[in-house]
Amino acid sequence: QSVLTQPPSVSGAPGQRVTISCTGSSSNIGAGYDVFWYQQLPGTAPKLLIYGNTNRPSGVPDRFSGSKSGTSASLAITGLQAEDEADYYCQSYDRSLSYVFGTGTKVTVL
Amino acid sequence: EVQLVESGGGLVKPGGSLRLSCAGSEFPFSSYGMNWVRQAPGKGLEWVASITGGSSFIDYADSVKGRFTISRDNGKNSLYLQMNSLRAEDTAVYYCARMGQSSGYYFDHWGQGTLVTVSS
Repeated sequence: QSVLTQPPSVSGAPGQRVTISCTGSSSNIGAGYDVFWYQQLPGTAPKLLIYGNTNRPSGVPDRFSGSKSGTSASLAITGLQAEDEADYYCQSYDRSLSYVFGTGTKVTVL
Repeated sequence: EVQLVESGGGLVKPGGSLRLSCAGSEFPFSSYGMNWVRQAPGKGLEWVASITGGSSFIDYADSVKGRFTISRDNGKNSLYLQMNSLRAEDTAVYYCARMGQSSGYYFDHWGQGTLVTVSS
């Protein structure tokens, strides 16, 4: 079972801003481990979206941004577009469990 | 462009065995840690196993420890996952994922996945 908690779904109209939270604990995010975000479009493999809490790999639009504070992290999507409709997962490292993923959030563009 | 191509998935009976392979190309394979991550149908992502570039450190999720073995052959640019004593709950798409080399523990490139179905 996932040890990082995300909302099951978020939605927004095109052009709006949505945020996805990722809540961990003192053994993972709160222990200082970085948070990463992945986008999984329908029927495809996950793709790295944010690394090191706030950094975007080459090719990822600056509409996507990440932040981290305490035992939580967030992914923000500004200027929401139809192509952003996907599942999003946070990921970190845990002292006991090694690599851990969030429960996943489905983003729907209304 | 980094390429990771999995193979070896299929239908297997409970208690059976299967060996997955992942071929890496367009990057110095031996310089990167590699991982297996799985996703059960309609479910989230679950890390399975990890191996460093020189195979000096290997780690497993508790759910597969003692049943699965991760290995690699750097001469063949290949990663493997030997899966024994398979259970219905091992049914999933198995992804090969390269370990990122910036600060932190993460996966920077993923293969397309191979489906493993455990059913009688």
